[in-house]
Amino acid sequence: KAGVTQTPRYLIKTRGQQVTLSCSPISGHRSVSWYQQTPGQGLQFLFEYFSETQRNKGNFPGRFSGRQFSNSRSEMNVSTLELGDSALYLCASSLEQGLGGELFFGEGSRLTVL
Amino acid sequence: AQTVTQSQPEMSVQEAETVTLSCTYDTSENNYYLFWYKQPPSRQMILVIRQEAYKQQNATENRFSVNFQKAAKSFSLKISDSQLGDTAMYFCAFMKHDYHTPLVFGKGTRLSVIA
Repeated sequence: KAGVTQTPRYLIKTRGQQVTLSCSPISGHRSVSWYQQTPGQGLQFLFEYFSETQRNKGNFPGRFSGRQFSNSRSEMNVSTLELGDSALYLCASSLEQGLGGELFFGEGSRLTVL
Repeated sequence: AQTVTQSQPEMSVQEAETVTLSCTYDTSENNYYLFWYKQPPSRQMILVIRQEAYKQQNATENRFSVNFQKAAKSFSLKISDSQLGDTAMYFCAFMKHDYHTPLVFGKGTRLSVIA
């Protein structure tokens, strides 16, 4: 079956702009979580959505937000972009995050902020 | 809060040899899960192996095995018969046993397998 699909794969924005990233989970998976990957901070958890509700949130400012649709597809949005937001944003899907279940990752969306 | 430490930023190994990647973690939880994920260059992250903390037996998956020492909070990954396709970033990760808990990752170890 198809894996986790993230779009766009690459994008370049300038400071102050906003960006929306999309994630389509594996069919049947209801949980979608987002992680930010940077060389300095490594992989950090942003938030998780399950059944259209945010279930957990990492330590990121309010400029980072997300949502999940009834078909489990998820979007994350970053407003008022800063240079430090340049990163690889990874989406992961699972049947239900937590309880030791495997997370399946997409290839990521690489955001460059100039 | 949980923390995961990978003390080896980079490692290399000759093809067909064995290599061990180190990972230590800090937690006050008694019930949790530990993972090793592999991220090949420009490719998606995939699960290599998973260990449940309440199981004393070390997990194995083909050429991959772990040495789980719960008291020492240590979780190392051994790759036997290394192959060129094993070249990747390897991340150790921790997950608390609870609903909707995220993975907590270490900073990763970049492994290069040399022909």
